[in-house]
This record gives sequence, structure tokens and C-alpha cells, in this order.
Amino acid sequence: RKEVEQDPGPFNVPEGATVAFNCTYSNSASQSFFWYRQDCRKEPKLLMSVYSSGNEDGRFTAQLNRASQYISLLIRDSKLSDSATYLCVVNIPGGKLIFGQGTELSVKP
Amino acid sequence: DTEVTQTPKHLVMGMTNKKSLKCEQHMGHRAMYWYKQKAKKPPELMFVYSYEKLSINESVPSRFSPECPNSSLLNLHLHALQPEDSALYLCASSQDRQGSYEQYFGPGTRLTVT
Repeated sequence: RKEVEQDPGPFNVPEGATVAFNCTYSNSASQSFFWYRQDCRKEPKLLMSVYSSGNEDGRFTAQLNRASQYISLLIRDSKLSDSATYLCVVNIPGGKLIFGQGTELSVKP
Repeated sequence: DTEVTQTPKHLVMGMTNKKSLKCEQHMGHRAMYWYKQKAKKPPELMFVYSYEKLSINESVPSRFSPECPNSSLLNLHLHALQPEDSALYLCASSQDRQGSYEQYFGPGTRLTVT
């Protein structure tokens, strides 16, 4: 089992749609969780950290379920500029970050 | 300002060349990282420096040699690389080595080994 698993992509959605990405992690000792986005041929950029109580930043909502070892990212009212690969990232003891394989999102007009 | 800079942006080198990649951050971060990323794959950790000391080496071949001259700078020295080493090399920094801190990435150096 991979340490961090994400929904396979690509997700092709129309502008204005709501899209949800899911991620599971295997190390129950993990303490910190993040979503990064990566545009084609660019570096990963931090989108948001994920807190136990869930958190929201504009159109983006992240949830964490520690019991199920599950993280989600919801994007509402998708924009063309949201097209990117979304990486689920989890820390493991020892201070390393483990990246999921990424989910590609394509928002169409 | 969450900026990490990397030079050069692009590098083409032969298998017998020696070159260096450079990374700089001025956020006062005490942990710095080198990652390698191939197309359509997530970044793979190579090295971690914490307080200017090498703390993690992910069994990287010795043809890659990291160096941390001071708390703001990180270098990656390259020697006798193979074509399969062609990739995007990303530098990142975080406040501390503990995983609870977000990592901020530089724009990367796109390396081609001929």
C-alpha cells in the first residue's frame, strides 16, 4: 500500500462546477497534512494546510478524518485558473513529507 | 515573503561535466531540502539540511553532492551524471525540519544530461 494515495485523474469539469479530491494515508503517526497545487512545468505551491477541525480559504475547503486516515479538498465554483495538478502531502515521523501521485484537474469553459 | 530562488533555470550538461545548482532563501528558515521530480511524478526527496547540517540522505548516488555554506544557501554539486538524472531539481525550505511546518519550493532547475 502506498503511503499516500489519491484519486486517479484526470478530472475534467466545466467552469462553475464543484469538484472534490480525496486522499488516504497509511501512517497513523502522521501529524501534518497539506494540499499543494502544481502547474505544468512549475514548482509545487502550498494551497493550504489541513487542520483537524477542517478549514476553508475562499472557494477551497479541506477536511481531515484522522480515524479513517482520510483527507479531502473541495473546490467550489471552479475557475479556468484552477486547472493544475493537486498534490496531497503528509508528514511522517522523522520530518519527511510524503507526496501523493497527484490528481490532475482540467476546468473547461 | 515566501520566496526561494534557484539558479540556473535550465542546465544542459554532458556526462563528464561538473556543475552546481544553487538555492537561496531569506525567510530565516532553518531546514532546506533538495528534491528531484520526473515528468508526471511527485517530487522525490533527496537531501535534508537542518541547521546547516545534513540530516537526511535518501540513499542518493554520490554523483550528487549537497553543500550548505550557510543558513540561507544550499548547493547541489553534480559530477558524472547519467542521462536518467535528467529531471526538475527543486529546492525547498521550511521553518524547521519538523514536518508540521510548510515547505516552500523554489522554481526549480530543469536539468538535461546528454
